[in-house]
Amino acid sequence: SQQGEEDPQALSIQEGENATMNCSYKTSINNLQWYRQNSGRGLVHLILIRSNEREKHSGRLRVTLDTSKKSSSLLITASRAADTASYFCATVSQAGTALIFGKGTTLSVSS
Amino acid sequence: DGGITQSPKYLFRKEGQNVTLSCEQNLNHDAMYWYRQDPGQGLRLIYYSQIVNDFQKGDIAEGYSVSREKKESFPLTVTSAQKNPTAFYLCASTWDRLAGADTQYFGPGTRLTVL
Repeated sequence: SQQGEEDPQALSIQEGENATMNCSYKTSINNLQWYRQNSGRGLVHLILIRSNEREKHSGRLRVTLDTSKKSSSLLITASRAADTASYFCATVSQAGTALIFGKGTTLSVSS
Repeated sequence: DGGITQSPKYLFRKEGQNVTLSCEQNLNHDAMYWYRQDPGQGLRLIYYSQIVNDFQKGDIAEGYSVSREKKESFPLTVTSAQKNPTAFYLCASTWDRLAGADTQYFGPGTRLTVL
């Protein structure tokens, strides 16, 4: 019952570069969330974008949502080594009772 | 110090044993969730509970059981019927019973290994 699919699966960049990861989903949504997971740790919520929003910012993060294409992107500007983590998008199940997570994008930022 | 805690951090199980993973939250959240994560994979929902004394199966409930006797606690038992239990287990909670309406807060996880 996977809803979101992140792309690429893995991304390696240098510090200071921007990182863009994408998420595609299948059914209509009320909102879409992005989470971050450091290796071996729990997930941390980054940002929630509602279906009537097209773009949202939080610090160095920029999230866009295109409901016509059923896709979202997460941009991290001026990446730092500390941004190294896996990033997941999440949407709500059709029953509305749980979040459905994609497999994630693993970002590696080297100094 | 508010948050969601899981214990133990590491757990080793012999084949045929049942083990229970603890999840406690002091955020006064109504809804709680258990996810399983395998290497390089996303999270898969095991069970969820939107209110005390009620819980629902997720996508991969077979071989697992839960209880929700208190609002703060949502323990997960991995039974001997679960044939491949080695994984990273994550517990989460949220204000809203309607999933996705709000942020989910995650615990630090329990890594279960079958010997």
